[in-house]
Amino acid sequence: DAGITQSPRHKVTETGTPVTLRCHQTENHRYMYWYRQDPGHGLRLIHYSYGVKDTDKGEVSDGYSVSRSKTEDFLLTLESATSSQTSVYFCAIGASEGGNEQFFGPGTRLTVL
Amino acid sequence: KQEVTQIPAALSVPEGENLVLNCSFTDSAIYNLQWFRQDPGKGLTSLLLIQSSQREQTSGRLNASLDKSSGRSTLYIAASQPGDSATYLCALAPSGTYKYIFGTGTRLKVLA
Repeated sequence: DAGITQSPRHKVTETGTPVTLRCHQTENHRYMYWYRQDPGHGLRLIHYSYGVKDTDKGEVSDGYSVSRSKTEDFLLTLESATSSQTSVYFCAIGASEGGNEQFFGPGTRLTVL
Repeated sequence: KQEVTQIPAALSVPEGENLVLNCSFTDSAIYNLQWFRQDPGKGLTSLLLIQSSQREQTSGRLNASLDKSSGRSTLYIAASQPGDSATYLCALAPSGTYKYIFGTGTRLKVLA
């Protein structure tokens, strides 16, 4: 398995509070992604990074920000959580060489009350 | 706008049957296409990656094909087993970007 960890794995928080999810990789891959998975919508890209301090928006980026200060870490922040952000969040990594096959982390289940 | 569709949403087959899962897309300008499996409550496991210049990839009992002109990829599973029960997802990266777009998946159940 690709060396990807996500923390926390489960979190319950209240509306209006800030939340930060962490993705850590040991593969030294250039690309990192944050997705959310919801019933009826499948996986949707929130933000992705193509290098340290290089990030871009995905399909559903409103209400989320990201940072990548080191190759191995990609942080997703919900500045003020809302109930619509209750979801399962997955981090993925990819190396541009070889066509950028993606490998996924175990996911974080976030509940916003 | 690129759209990715997987039909059917769910499929039940008896053990031992060969089966085909479909993935359709609306724009043939893609970088690559990847098939995943997801078990309930788990992350995604990569099965096969097909580059835009390739027609197919094989791994064990799995074979994935890509036909960009018709906007279609298929995942063939030979001699299905109960352990193959999972949701199968396809994802593609449009040309010029590594922003992947996912289909909503096919939930497969292989009956013993």
